[in-house]
Amino acid sequence: AQSVTQPDIHITVSEGASLELRCNYSYGATPYLFWYVQSPGQGLQLLLKYFSGDTLVQGIKGFEAEFKRSQSSFNLRKPSVHWSDAAEYFCAVGRPTGTASKLTFGTGTRLQVTL
Amino acid sequence: ETGVTQTPRHLVMGMTNKKSLKCEQHLGHNAMYWYKQSAKKPLELMFVYNFKEQTENNSVPSRFSPECPNSSHLFLHLHTLQPEDSALYLCASSQGQGASETQYFGPGTRLLVL
Repeated sequence: AQSVTQPDIHITVSEGASLELRCNYSYGATPYLFWYVQSPGQGLQLLLKYFSGDTLVQGIKGFEAEFKRSQSSFNLRKPSVHWSDAAEYFCAVGRPTGTASKLTFGTGTRLQVTL
Repeated sequence: ETGVTQTPRHLVMGMTNKKSLKCEQHLGHNAMYWYKQSAKKPLELMFVYNFKEQTENNSVPSRFSPECPNSSHLFLHLHTLQPEDSALYLCASSQGQGASETQYFGPGTRLLVL
């Protein structure tokens, strides 16, 4: 069965500082990996995804993530955090179900940004 | 309207009530999903519909009854719920072309069961 672990429940960074959010997954086949962000009162928005090719993936809002198969990790990074990045971040692994996709999410990391 | 919409945004119901949650997607997608988001727990996939056919039921209690009349609409019918069913219920849609595709989420319905 697939699973996702986000070891950091809550992270606080200063505006302008760099950010790394950790994600480890367990999946028997080639993983399809996603990072979503959820702002208060909102649904989830896709930041980036990986399913093949270059292991460094660029996403929206200046985020990037690196897939490391040997470490079963897909950590999210941003070189300089903005106050508007404060939100909850979810890592997910997907597998096919019919022609749709089944996502298994981690418990999320809540990011607080101090000014 | 664009994207994925959900109504109502907030719902309070007693354990003996019957209510329905509605989801509509305006993206031309073929797959739709219901998720449950509880505090301090990962998002839980409840149901998947692909081309109006249910392809996943993640051991959801029968007091939750989904309905997908067409590829644009998805309902979740609720009856005799328990207080532990209080949560944010999120709907999502995708094109229905495999595991690498993006799911687009609605804003959710915040449900409180008294």
